[in-house]
Amino acid sequence: KQEVTQIPAALSVPEGENLVLNCSFTDSAIYNLQWFRQDPGKGLTSLLLIQSSQREQTSGRLNASLDKSSGRSTLYIAASQPGDSATYLCAVTTDSWGKLQFGAGTQVVVTP
Amino acid sequence: GAVVSQHPSWVICKSGTSVKIECRSLDFQATTMFWYRQFPKQSLMLMATSNEGSKATYEQGVEKDKFLINHASLTLSTLTVTSAHPEDSSFYICSARDPTRGTDTQYFGPGTRLTVL
Repeated sequence: KQEVTQIPAALSVPEGENLVLNCSFTDSAIYNLQWFRQDPGKGLTSLLLIQSSQREQTSGRLNASLDKSSGRSTLYIAASQPGDSATYLCAVTTDSWGKLQFGAGTQVVVTP
Repeated sequence: GAVVSQHPSWVICKSGTSVKIECRSLDFQATTMFWYRQFPKQSLMLMATSNEGSKATYEQGVEKDKFLINHASLTLSTLTVTSAHPEDSSFYICSARDPTRGTDTQYFGPGTRLTVL
């Protein structure tokens, strides 16, 4: 059974520092891995999607890497801003229908 | 971009009543929709996969007679929590897949907060 783990569970950094969020999964047979952002009481916003054949994806200040063989992904957020404060979730797609298995998330607080 | 709406955004009900939550894809046709449940400080847990015109597929441990899912059209799926109890209080989120964009892209609704008294 696929299990997705995110470390740390919570993170607080001063504005301007780089953020490093970790995600691990137990079964390497995934279709892709995605990183989402969730604001309190809200739905999810997709940040980055990495196909199983890819090693990384970049969008603006965000960069995500994927090492499928070791079951790990890392999300880097450069030069953090208070607006980056949110919970970040990683999820792996486990079948061709698009079923997602989520980690518990990392709650990020960026202080001004 | 594609938009998915949920209604209501929050609901409070008495124990024993039934509650219906709607999930709509506003600008695309969704052949597949997913329903998730999220307890406080926990991850999203997939409850069921809903395909238009067919019965939903439930994840292990999810009672299909308690959580009724109807995907009657390409833009609407409903989740009915029957005989709700306080332990059903949770944040329910749906997502919809746009088949024209492949299996990778899912669009999430804003969620529905259910509180059962």
